[in-house]
Amino acid sequence: EADIYQTPRYLVIGTGKKITLECSQTMGHDKMYWYQQDPGMELHLIHYSYGVNSTEKGDLSSESTVSRIRTEHFPLTLESARPSHTSQYLCASTGLSLGGELFFGEGSRLTVL
Amino acid sequence: GENVEQHPSTLSVQEGDSAVIKCTYSDSASNYFPWYKQELGKRPQLIIDIRSNVGEKKDQRIAVTLNKTAKHFSLHITETQPEDSAVYFCAAQGGSSYKLIFGSGTRLLVRP
Repeated sequence: EADIYQTPRYLVIGTGKKITLECSQTMGHDKMYWYQQDPGMELHLIHYSYGVNSTEKGDLSSESTVSRIRTEHFPLTLESARPSHTSQYLCASTGLSLGGELFFGEGSRLTVL
Repeated sequence: GENVEQHPSTLSVQEGDSAVIKCTYSDSASNYFPWYKQELGKRPQLIIDIRSNVGEKKDQRIAVTLNKTAKHFSLHITETQPEDSAVYFCAAQGGSSYKLIFGSGTRLLVRP
C-alpha cells in the first residue's frame, strides 16, 4: 500500500547518543520534509529535499542532518542527542512541485534523558 | 522568508454553531494555502486548500476564503459537530520555494 513510513515510532535514549530516524515513502514523491512538533503544537520545518542529492535547511535551527541518496528514503540523524531534542518528528512527502497535498508519516516520538 | 500567523489559538463552540479561523502571511509571492486537521495522536491531514487565483472554495461544511491584497485567508466550518474537534493548521507556500510554512495551530473544541 502506498504510504509514508517512519521508524522507530517511539525512542528513549540517553544524552550524547547518536540516533537516526528513518523515513520511507512508496509513492514515488520527489519532495520530502521533516517537521518537529511538540504534541498538538506548531509544526516547525527543519529540513526538506527537492529530490535525490538535494537537501535544504528549514526555518527552525536544528542540530540534525539529513541525506537523500534514494528517492524513497529521507533519514534524519542526530549526532549527539540532548534533552532539548525531546519532541515528535514528522516526515512528509508530496508529488507536486507546488500546491500538492503533503502526506505525513505517523511520527517518531523521541525522548532524550 | 515566509511567516504565517494564526488566530485564535483556541476556539470553543457549541455543536451546530459556526467556527472561523484566520491566518495572515507575509510573502506576497505565496500562491498556495492549505488547511490541515490533526486529531489527537494522529498525523495532520489535508482538509481543503485554495490557490491564489481563487477567492473562495467550498467543500460541504468547510469553506476557505482568500484575500490576496490583505494577505489573509480564513477557514469556515458550519454546523460544527463533535468530530470536528481537533487542531487545525493553516499553511502557505509559493514563489520558487517548496517550503510549506505552517501557522501555530488552533485547537477547536465543539461542545455537544
